[in-house]
Amino acid sequence: DVVMTQSPLSLPVTLGQPASISCRSSQSLVHSDGNTYLNWFQQRPGQSPRRLIYKVSNRDSGVPDRFSGSGSGTDFTLKISRVEAEDVGIYYCMQRTHWPPTFGQGTKVEIK
Amino acid sequence: QVQLVQSGAEVKKPGASVKVSCKASGYMFTNYGISWVRRAPGQGLEWMGWISAYNGDTNYVQKLQGRVTMTTDTSTSTAYMELRSLRSDDTAVYYCARDPEFDLWGRGTLVTVSS
Repeated sequence: DVVMTQSPLSLPVTLGQPASISCRSSQSLVHSDGNTYLNWFQQRPGQSPRRLIYKVSNRDSGVPDRFSGSGSGTDFTLKISRVEAEDVGIYYCMQRTHWPPTFGQGTKVEIK
Repeated sequence: QVQLVQSGAEVKKPGASVKVSCKASGYMFTNYGISWVRRAPGQGLEWMGWISAYNGDTNYVQKLQGRVTMTTDTSTSTAYMELRSLRSDDTAVYYCARDPEFDLWGRGTLVTVSS
């Protein structure tokens, strides 16, 4: 199985400051169809996961533009340009290029 | 409204079985699959398996093979996940998600396994 490794696992941030989460995969996530199936999810306390980003850098409808995804191959990043209080929660990367789909361990974002 | 509505919380004894439902609405059920994902207390998300709502094909994570069965009822646009021989470490919130995009999730069903 593809191992997804996130860092950091805990990320205290100051309101209005940027935040960055890294996600590395144990093998390339480039699919034979040319796409890279790397998603980012946000899970707020008491809520179900919500997809923020799909195929590395595509923002879902309704997701604020302060969220952005980038990367390629085995190295990916989720950035929040200016953290707001509603961004508190756990963020997961997930790959579905290879079977089975696998998630990173999660990064807990909290306000300092 | 496009949504997945899951059944309510369950409390089970070790060794028992649980069956969680996930009713889809607002989209063509058979055009997608359903994945089941769980989150145990203090842990991250764990993908459990997938079922095609089109033809019923399934694929389960190896650690749950033999204990889990996923089914669908296309007449009611409902997916089911049954987990047998429950253990305390099966205590978790179980989610269904629209596959392959994982763009739509149910609200989760808490399954507590306790003697």
